Amino acid sequence: NAGVMQNPRHLVRRRGQEARLRCSPMKGHSHVYWYRQLPEEGLKFMVYLQKENIIDESGMPKERFSAEFPKEGPSILRIQQVVRGDSAAYFCASSPQLAAQETQYFGPGTRLLVL
Amino acid sequence: RKEVEQDPGPFNVPEGATVAFNCTYSNSASQSFFWYRQDCRKEPKLLMSVYSSGNEDGRFTAQLNRASQYISLLIRDSKLSDSATYLCVVKVGAGGTSYGKLTFGQGTILTVHP
Repeated sequence: NAGVMQNPRHLVRRRGQEARLRCSPMKGHSHVYWYRQLPEEGLKFMVYLQKENIIDESGMPKERFSAEFPKEGPSILRIQQVVRGDSAAYFCASSPQLAAQETQYFGPGTRLLVL
Repeated sequence: RKEVEQDPGPFNVPEGATVAFNCTYSNSASQSFFWYRQDCRKEPKLLMSVYSSGNEDGRFTAQLNRASQYISLLIRDSKLSDSATYLCVVKVGAGGTSYGKLTFGQGTILTVHP
């Protein structure tokens, strides 16, 4: 059973460009979470999605950031008009269901560098 | 005040040592507790869940004190391979949209040396 897949693993963008980060959850998992880890900081929750629905986007910046998890295909985190402060590691996690002790399994992350 | 606070360390210990990490959380609605480890430039990986009665997994022992909102992790007989950042993680279980979100502490860095 393949783990959570993320691509690309590394992404370099210039200021003002768009970044698209992809996440394929583990097989059988319908819950996807995105977290961001800024340099020298802890992981911060961004958004929680189920298939075709955004459940909680309380951690996502109101502007330039969007996320989707379509019926078919991977979850996408999209950052428009990137700025240097967006440089970070973006981790996706998935779980099979929503429960108190349900483990979230993390992907290897996408490291975004904005020049 | 941060939702989850940890001593960032670093902790430098020799092989075979016993080391303890502490963590406090501020949200009394927190329901689930975990320790993850994160190796340099890698993803977090679940080390163990933390149960109210305390639990042990080999050399690792986790404790939870709900009254004090305090979580601990004890590592006995440290190995070189234990070197990593240890993340205290809390999930609020008040239902609704907050149920899935993990809140991470900043992590405690452990280096085990020969």
